[in-house]
Amino acid sequence: KQEVTQIPAALSVPEGENLVLNCSFTDSAIYNLQWFRQDPGKGLTSLLLIQSSQREQTSGRLNASLDKSSGRSTLYIAASQPGDSATYLCAVCNNNDMRFGAGTRLTVKP
Amino acid sequence: EAQVTQNPRYLITVTGKKLTVTCSQNMNHEYMSWYRQDPGLGLRQIYYSMNVEVTDKGDVPEGYKVSRKEKRNFPLILESPSPNQTSLYFCASTRVGDQETQYFGPGTRLLVL
Repeated sequence: KQEVTQIPAALSVPEGENLVLNCSFTDSAIYNLQWFRQDPGKGLTSLLLIQSSQREQTSGRLNASLDKSSGRSTLYIAASQPGDSATYLCAVCNNNDMRFGAGTRLTVKP
Repeated sequence: EAQVTQNPRYLITVTGKKLTVTCSQNMNHEYMSWYRQDPGLGLRQIYYSMNVEVTDKGDVPEGYKVSRKEKRNFPLILESPSPNQTSLYFCASTRVGDQETQYFGPGTRLLVL
C-alpha cells in the first residue's frame, strides 16, 4: 500500500526567501505525482503535475521535481510571497488510486 | 467552465439523521471519488467509481454509501451519521486512462453532533 509522507508539517519563512517542500512515497510504480495548494476552508487547486516519465515541471515561481527511484519529490518556491501562505499537498497516483500526504502548512511572513 | 460542484457546502446535523451530499461534474469524466480530510491525516479515499454503476470501497468506507446511476453525479450517503464522521469532504473526478489531474470540488464541511 502506497504511503506518502510530507516533511516538514509546518514551515514559516520571511518574505522573499526561497524554500523547498519535501514529499516521499514508498511505492515507486506511479503514474504521476501532483502538488496541490489548499487555502484554509477551501478546496484543492492543482499546481503541478509530473508524469512518471518526467523529472520536473515548472510554473512561474514553482518548480517540482520527481525522483521515482528514490521515492521523492520536491516543490521549490522561489522568492516567496505572503500570498503563498497555504497548505501544500503532495499526491501520488497509481492507476487512478490517488494517495495524499498530510500536507505542509506554509506561512510566509511580510 | 469545467467544474465539480458539491452541495451543501456546510452542514450541521445530529447523530443518526440520514444525509446526502451531492457531487456533480460537467466534464464527462468516468472516474469519480470521495475523500475525507482530517487534521494531520491528509485526504483519505472513502469510495470511488470507475464508471456508471461501478463503485468500489476506498480506504475508509465504513458508515458511507455511494451510488453512480448517472455519469455526472456521485452522491455520498451517510445512513446514520456519527460524530466521528465530522470532517471536510471532497469529491473529485478525472478521465480514466489519462494521466491527468483530478478535479476537486470546493468541499463540504460536516459537523455531526
